[in-house]
Order: sequence, then structure tokens, then C-alpha cells
Amino acid sequence: NAGVTQTPKFRILKIGQSMTLQCTQDMNHNYMYWYRQDPGMGLKLIYYSVGAGITDKGEVPNGYNVSRSTTEDFPLRLELAAPSQTSVYFCASQKRAGNTEAFFGQGTRLTVV
Amino acid sequence: ELKVEQNPLFLSMQEGKNYTIYCNYSTTSDRLYWYRQDPGKSLESLFVLLSNGAVKQEGRLMASLDTKARLSTLHITAAVHDLSATYFCASRNFGNEKLTFGTGTRLTIIP
Repeated sequence: NAGVTQTPKFRILKIGQSMTLQCTQDMNHNYMYWYRQDPGMGLKLIYYSVGAGITDKGEVPNGYNVSRSTTEDFPLRLELAAPSQTSVYFCASQKRAGNTEAFFGQGTRLTVV
Repeated sequence: ELKVEQNPLFLSMQEGKNYTIYCNYSTTSDRLYWYRQDPGKSLESLFVLLSNGAVKQEGRLMASLDTKARLSTLHITAAVHDLSATYFCASRNFGNEKLTFGTGTRLTIIP
């Protein structure tokens, strides 16, 4: 199994540009999460989803949007990139019951210049 | 709202020594997770603790959970350089969908 796959791995954006970070999982997990991790810091929850068609805001949702049209995919959209969005973005998925760990993708390193 | 705090934030220790990382959480929780992150890498799962009194061990690492005290510990025995990394705890209540992480503990093992 591939687990959680994120694309791209690296991206440089100019201020005001838009992009979508892709995340897909093949474990049939209901719960999916997007986190950002600034240098030397912990993980902050951006958005999460408990199933297809259901999303909710996390701790730092401003400047981002998500959708969940299928169980497998949970893309994160940046509409107007700002330097403050320079970060490493991690997608994760977990079983509904939470009795096993959440699995993480390899991350997307985004730089906004 | 669930809050998760770790201490210490930074830990520098000599090889061969023992130490403990503490993880406190603010509301009743029955699911506690420990992860390891190497520089520039993703998070790797270490332990899943699901009940009061749960103890799990892997090599030189042992994790425990005390739900009454809202406390989990990660104990390092006879530290070796390969254990240098950042360690995160995370919690998620059953019925609460958010997976909330602590601030992380950056562990450096000095030869």
C-alpha cells in the first residue's frame, strides 16, 4: 500500500498566486487532516474532514480552503499566496475509531516569495 | 477545547543517561499517540496508548498513559545518538475528530 501520498514535494510560489496541494490515501480512512509546520515549531491544524462531503476548520484556516469529494482525496487550496504561508504542509489520515495511529504523508515544502 | 502541552521543549542529554518527556492534555482523553520526527522528514508513529495504565515499550523507549492525571510519559533508557530527534505527543478523544499535537520536544543526545 502507498499510504498517504502528497504532491508536490516542493513548490515556490509568488505572492498572490494560487495552488492546490494534493493528498490521497488508499487505506479507506474516514478522517483526514491538513497541518502546517513552521521551522522549528509544532504542527498546527488547518482543516480536517471526517468523511466525504464533510470538512471543518482547525486552528489556522485563514487563507486556505479544502474539499472532500471522495474518501481518498483531500486537497488543500491556497487562493492568494502570502509570505506567511511559507511552511511545510503535512496531510494525515486516520481510522474513525482512532485506535491506530494517524499516518502522515511526506510533506510539501512551500515557499512564497 | 483539547490542549496538549509537552515539556521540556528542548532536551540535551549524554549518551547512556535516562530521561523522561512529559505530555499533559487538558480534557478527558483515551487516545494518546507518540511520534518521532527527524530533521526534514515526516512524522513516524512510535506508540498508540488507548487506556489508563497502558504501557508500551520499543527498544530504549517506553511510553505510558495515566488518564486520571491526564499525563503521558515517554521514557528514554540509556540514550544513544540515534535517538536524537523531535518527539511529539498527540491526543484525540473518541467522538472528537481533531487530532491535536503537543509542541514537541527536541532531543539531542551528546556522545
